[in-house]
Amino acid sequence: DTGVSQDPRHKITKRGQNVTFRCDPISEHNRLYWYRQTLGQGPEFLTYFQNEAQLEKSRLLSDRFSAERPKGSFSTLEIQRTEQGDSAMYLCASSLTPTGGETQYFGPGTRLLVL
Amino acid sequence: GENVEQHPSTLSVQEGDSAVIKCTYSDSASNYFPWYKQELGKRPQLIIDIRSNVGEKKDQRIAVTLNKTAKHFSLHITETQPEDSAVYFCAASIFYVGGADGLTFGKGTHLIIQP
Repeated sequence: DTGVSQDPRHKITKRGQNVTFRCDPISEHNRLYWYRQTLGQGPEFLTYFQNEAQLEKSRLLSDRFSAERPKGSFSTLEIQRTEQGDSAMYLCASSLTPTGGETQYFGPGTRLLVL
Repeated sequence: GENVEQHPSTLSVQEGDSAVIKCTYSDSASNYFPWYKQELGKRPQLIIDIRSNVGEKKDQRIAVTLNKTAKHFSLHITETQPEDSAVYFCAASIFYVGGADGLTFGKGTHLIIQP
């Protein structure tokens, strides 16, 4: 499968624990986006990278959230001291700019449940 | 920031009939408007998109129209089929030469095709 992949697909954790998710974009895609989706809602933008540079962060991205893309390929999203309100699906998307245009291709997501 | 409103939240149509989903946006700087289809438990998939320099775009049974003055855009699906049943999300973003910012999504429309 040459699409966007995410790992793990599911994560159950206890409140207060730290969790880390990984996203592997489509090969050669230089932009990588993180979104959060709760049940019955549309995805909410969190942050995005152009290669290894983090270009924009939403105000939704509290201090407990940190994202990295150290080599401009895969990215990680870490949530520290998880809260029940962090329970959601975390989606990653990638795009190839400028030649690939603006289309963002989504991964299958990581579903987080905080108990 | 951008705010995208989407209506209706649920739409039930007879197979073969047309379906129309409407969205409004608030930021006049937005110039890229994609539509995503999300089936239960699956990733969002782009079905059609439009840039602000055109008023309409069509792809087989799917069309999108854009009214920049009124800041609204609509998805039209003709000759609906059972496989069209899904949740549809509209989104808005600002697209630069180097790529698009993060997408702001509507809350989604659950489209139900009645046999």
